Amino acid sequence: GAVVSQHPSRVICKSGTSVKIECRSLDFQATTMFWYRQFPKQSLMLMATSNEGSKATYEQGVEKDKFLINHASLTLSTLTVTSAHPEDSSFYICSAARTGARQGSPLHFGNGTRLTVT
Amino acid sequence: QKEVEQDPGPLSVPEGAIVSLNCTYSNSAFQYFMWYRQYSRKGPELLMYTYSSGNKEDGRFTAQVDKSSKYISLFIRDSQPSDSATYLCAFLKAAGNKLTFGGGTRVLVKP
Repeated sequence: GAVVSQHPSRVICKSGTSVKIECRSLDFQATTMFWYRQFPKQSLMLMATSNEGSKATYEQGVEKDKFLINHASLTLSTLTVTSAHPEDSSFYICSAARTGARQGSPLHFGNGTRLTVT
Repeated sequence: QKEVEQDPGPLSVPEGAIVSLNCTYSNSAFQYFMWYRQYSRKGPELLMYTYSSGNKEDGRFTAQVDKSSKYISLFIRDSQPSDSATYLCAFLKAAGNKLTFGGGTRVLVKP
């Protein structure tokens, strides 16, 4: 169990366009999902915490108007990169926390989305 | 001082050798300790999870936690070329579910 699916796995878009990335928990409900960004040879950087039915919480330095997060159901969170620029090119990864899991339960991750903005 | 220190490597070992990885941390609030494996262009995969000091074994993997020294280790026995990946230590506090990651150690197991 605890499978997290992320789609698409790879996307190329033109500068100025918007891209939506989906994160789904396939076999469990997730009240909370997390969005990370990873640059080559670097660790994961938390961008925002997505809570079902409420506004996302963004980490310091992350533009909420640029990275729109919607967590409309207990199994789906979406990240939209608006007006993408080449510097937004990166590997975006989501993870999900199972609803009702005890404190300290490990998180499971999606397989990531490689975004290239040309 | 960084909350988590992890040698970036690369750590190159011959097939069959023991791989030894470690992280040090400074935040006493960390109560849960994890190791993830990440292959190139893939998401992290949970390998080991523990919440107490001591050893935990799962197949070829052994995780060690020393809370008094704020030091955690991962050992991989009988390493295989398929173990070549980046290994990330990760930490959770007693409250909340935000993970704090180490920078990752790149491991190369040569046949």
